[in-house]
Amino acid sequence: TQLLEQSPQFLSIQEGENLTVYCNSSSVFSSLQWYRQEPGEGPVLLVTVVTGGEVKKLKRLTFQFGDARKDSSLHITAAQPGDTGLYLCAGAPGNTPLVFGKGTRLSVIA
Amino acid sequence: NAGVTQTPKFQVLKTGQSMTLQCAQDMNHEYMSWYRQDPGMGLRLIHYSVGAGITDQGEVPNGYNVSRSTTEDFPLRLLSAAPSQTSVYFCASRRGQNYGYTFGSGTRLTVV
Repeated sequence: TQLLEQSPQFLSIQEGENLTVYCNSSSVFSSLQWYRQEPGEGPVLLVTVVTGGEVKKLKRLTFQFGDARKDSSLHITAAQPGDTGLYLCAGAPGNTPLVFGKGTRLSVIA
Repeated sequence: NAGVTQTPKFQVLKTGQSMTLQCAQDMNHEYMSWYRQDPGMGLRLIHYSVGAGITDQGEVPNGYNVSRSTTEDFPLRLLSAAPSQTSVYFCASRRGQNYGYTFGSGTRLTVV
């Protein structure tokens, strides 16, 4: 059983469209993180959300942490080809090592 | 540039050979981890360390050893390579429990 479930697994959209990807769990997390990974590279941290209900914005990316701290979402407004990549959420329930979801592979077509 | 350095970037091993993947960070981070990434499986934790002299097993530790003699270095040793260990390996470090990871650029390992 995967601790963090991400959906959708794959997403292909046209440039300019909006999209939301989800990260869900039955466990409570003290924080959740989002990363983006491009081919041939390691994941790069985008944001850490800590407080239930917290919303953070990074240019056209909006991250939300669920009120119960069991889930998170990433919304991209007006997607661009440069947003293409693998989006990973990660978290640690309690004082345990960080675990990752399997990711959402996003392709933005010009 | 500060960060996590992994070597080598690519490696081909024969079944039964041993080797060490090197990982070094210059950010004085206490936490370091090794992950492997396989298609459809995501990133899976092999071993991790919360400080020099302290290591523990992750989700998939079999066939791998680690040591943490200094804060900077966290090498991963493959004892007797098997084709199932063909993967991309990432080393990562972070300041503490609720901080994000800085990842190295990975080692692509093929075992034939």
